[in-house]
Amino acid sequence: GIQVEQSPPDLILQEGANSTLRCNFSDSVNNLQWFHQNPWGQLINLFYIPSGTKQNGRLSATTVATERYSSLYISSSQTTDSGVYFCAGRGFQKLVFGTGTRLLVSP
Amino acid sequence: EPEVTQTPSHQVTQMGQEVILRCVPISNHLYFYWYRQILGQKVEFLVSFYNNEISEKSEIFDDQFSVERPDGSNFTLKIRSTKLEDSAMYFCASFSGFNTIYFGEGSWLTVV
Repeated sequence: GIQVEQSPPDLILQEGANSTLRCNFSDSVNNLQWFHQNPWGQLINLFYIPSGTKQNGRLSATTVATERYSSLYISSSQTTDSGVYFCAGRGFQKLVFGTGTRLLVSP
Repeated sequence: EPEVTQTPSHQVTQMGQEVILRCVPISNHLYFYWYRQILGQKVEFLVSFYNNEISEKSEIFDDQFSVERPDGSNFTLKIRSTKLEDSAMYFCASFSGFNTIYFGEGSWLTVV
């Protein structure tokens, strides 16, 4: 099955800094999603991005399907961006999650 | 955004007791899933459900687990005899077959 790896595992930023989170997947995917898990454990959908680039406010995501990676870019980070970021890829039916990047944004 | 609803949000149960976690997927969706996340770990696939039957299950989904769609709207996960290691967040997810898979807010299960 599909393997999904994320890097870095942990990231500490000062408020206002920019960051890039990376997701590599082992096989072709039909779907690639990015989630933010908030302190209450809820998975918040950030992007559905099987290919190309999307932007939503300070966040943008890019997937290069032919090179089997996706990246999430956070600009001007805020303390509310703290939490765990997961990418997940779908081959046929199910989503397979990566191990996540734990982000801490300090004031 | 479309919403997947899960109940209860948190349940504490004694070891050996049966637990039923409930989910209301998005109407007109065809694929339904349960995932589990042990505290501090990654989100793991348990089972997928399509056309009123299990389409795929993981090694975690052993005989103590079962799923059901009893009335065409609810989707349930039953754990027959809970163990301490079943303590986790359980997520239900819903998929039309296209684009985004939507997740519910999760049900925290604590087994004591």
